[in-house]
Amino acid sequence: EDQVTQSPEALRLQEGESSSLNCSYTVSGLRGLFWYRQDPGKGPEFLFTLYSAGEEKEKERLKATLTKKESFLHITAPKPEDSATYLCAALLYDKIIFGKGTRLHILP
Amino acid sequence: DGGITQSPKYLFRKEGQNVTLSCEQNLNHDAMYWYRQDPGQGLRLIYYSQIVNDFQKGDIAEGYSVSREKKESFPLTVTSAQKNPTAFYLCASSRQGTETQYFGPGTRLLVL
Repeated sequence: EDQVTQSPEALRLQEGESSSLNCSYTVSGLRGLFWYRQDPGKGPEFLFTLYSAGEEKEKERLKATLTKKESFLHITAPKPEDSATYLCAALLYDKIIFGKGTRLHILP
Repeated sequence: DGGITQSPKYLFRKEGQNVTLSCEQNLNHDAMYWYRQDPGQGLRLIYYSQIVNDFQKGDIAEGYSVSREKKESFPLTVTSAQKNPTAFYLCASSRQGTETQYFGPGTRLLVL
């Protein structure tokens, strides 16, 4: 069964404390891996698409990487405004599977 | 500005009532999608449409219906057959040939 698992479910960091969020997948025929940011009560905001193992993309304090089994969202020196739920999603040939998300809270 | 709009932001449904959620996009995207989001669960696909006048069921289509009469619009009706409709509903769209989906702000449906 195709599956996308995000860990940890929740993460609390001090401002400036770097860390990584994990998105592991067991799927047949991965075509791409998406990362989204979602604030409470709002729709997900697109961050990155990764298409092949070894690919990396960066945006401000965020960097997404992809291997054959998982993707990481690295957050460097986070600020309180980075607090949100981060979703990953695996694009297959006939569907997209979303993980349940990681709730990130950055303490000032 | 291009984007996706959803209305209303909050919607209340009485038992036995059908309600319709609106989704409009001006991104000139061909594909549109409806998802349901419940606490602690990933987004689940309800319906999707790749072109006008055509749509397909997703993983949890029972109790829902859609139409796609215009490229810009993809309304979702939550029927009385949907016994547990309380959730956050998200509409998304993507350009034909690429699958990056862009989301609207969502509609929260509550049952009275």
